[in-house]
Amino acid sequence: NAGVTQTPKFQVLKTGQSMTLQCAQDMNHEYMSWYRQDPGMGLRLIHYSVGAGITDQGEVPNGYNVSRSTTEDFPLRLLSAAPSQTSVYFCASSYGRGTYEQYFGPGTRLTVT
Amino acid sequence: DAKTTQPPSMDCAEGRAANLPCNHSTISGNEYVYWYRQIHSQGPQYIIHGLKNNETNEMASLIITEDRKSSTLILPHATLRDTAVYYCIVRVQGQFYFGTGTSLTVIP
Repeated sequence: NAGVTQTPKFQVLKTGQSMTLQCAQDMNHEYMSWYRQDPGMGLRLIHYSVGAGITDQGEVPNGYNVSRSTTEDFPLRLLSAAPSQTSVYFCASSYGRGTYEQYFGPGTRLTVT
Repeated sequence: DAKTTQPPSMDCAEGRAANLPCNHSTISGNEYVYWYRQIHSQGPQYIIHGLKNNETNEMASLIITEDRKSSTLILPHATLRDTAVYYCIVRVQGQFYFGTGTSLTVIP
């Protein structure tokens, strides 16, 4: 199993541009989520999904959209990038929303100029 | 509104036990405590989790106080590869709430 994969690894955007961060998992996990990590801080939840077709907001959802059309994929869209969205983005998945451990991807480092 | 409180940094001698404390005084009765670690800027790695009983696996032990207001992660024989940021996390309604973690440095 590849586990949780994320693309791209690095990205530089100009203010106002849009882009999609890709996340995929091959473990048949129902629960997937997106976090951002700013320097010296822990991870903060952006959006999450408990299954295909179902998404919900986390702590810091503004400026981001998600969709979940398949179990495997959970893309994160930045609608109009802002410098405040410069961060490292992590995708994670788990069997369910219960007590299961989450598996994290390697991260995408995004810089918005 | 921090759900967990951890010391920002700790040192531990190689081969000794590393004891990492966490305060979660507002935890509710059905909320689990999880521990993850993050090495450099990699994705966080699961270590262990528990509700109220002490737990042990191949990586670590988790000791939760009887009132569940605090817990301690124990790495029994720390190695240089255990140098990382360790996060104590409370899972609330399925969501993980990360704090700022403890940066553990294992010293040769």
